[in-house]
Amino acid sequence: EVHLLQSGIEMKKPGESLKISCKGSGYRFSNYWIAWVRQKSGKGLEWMGMIYPGDSETRYSPSFQGLVTVSADKSISTVSLQWNSPKASDTAMYYCVRLAGDAFFDYWGQGTLVTVSS
Amino acid sequence: EILLTQSPGALSLSPGERATLSCRASQSVSSAYFAWYQQRPGQAPRLLIYSTSNRATDIPDRFSGSGSGTDFTLTISRLEPEDFAVYYCQQYVSSPYTFGQGTNLEIK
Repeated sequence: EVHLLQSGIEMKKPGESLKISCKGSGYRFSNYWIAWVRQKSGKGLEWMGMIYPGDSETRYSPSFQGLVTVSADKSISTVSLQWNSPKASDTAMYYCVRLAGDAFFDYWGQGTLVTVSS
Repeated sequence: EILLTQSPGALSLSPGERATLSCRASQSVSSAYFAWYQQRPGQAPRLLIYSTSNRATDIPDRFSGSGSGTDFTLTISRLEPEDFAVYYCQQYVSSPYTFGQGTNLEIK
C-alpha cells in the first residue's frame, strides 16, 4: 500500500531555518515525482514545486521559486521542503503528494502544520 | 499560467439530490490532464477523478466527470452525507499545476 508519512507540527520564529519531510513507502520511491502543496487556513490549494527522486530534478512554481528548496534522499525514501528564512506568511498546512505517471496527484500525505510567529 | 475558476463558490443541497460543480479554464486544457479532488473538514484532499472522467480507486460511481476544452463538470448523482466537502479542480497539463479556488458543498 502506498503511504506518504510527513513530519510533525513545526513552530518557528521568523528567520529560523525550517525543514519538513515526507517519507514514501509501498512503491518504488525513485520512480515517481513528489510535489509539495500549500494550504493556508481556510484557503485553497497551491502547487509549490516538485522533485523526481531518481535524479533529483526539480521544478518550481514561479510563486515559490527562490523562496523554498525541495530536495530528496532516495536512500531513505524521503523528500524535504526547506525555508532559509521563513516568514509569518509561510504559516500554513503543507502536503506532500505523489504524482501518478500522467501527473495527477494520486496519493497525499497527512499534512504538516507550520506556524511561523514571533 | 492557466487559471481555473470554479462555480458556484458554495452549493447548498440535501442528501439524495444531484450536485453539479463547474470549472472553467482560462485556456484550453487537454482532457487527459484534468482532475477533481475532494477535501473533507480536517483531512487531506483525495483524488476523485483524473483525465476528466476516470474515477480513482475506490471512488463510488455516483461521482462522474465530463468536459473538454475550457469547461469541465463534476457531477454527484445522489448525495450521501459523506459527500459534503470542498471540491477542487486541477489542471496538470502545464507547470505551474493550478487548482480552482474550490466549491464548498454544504448540507441544506
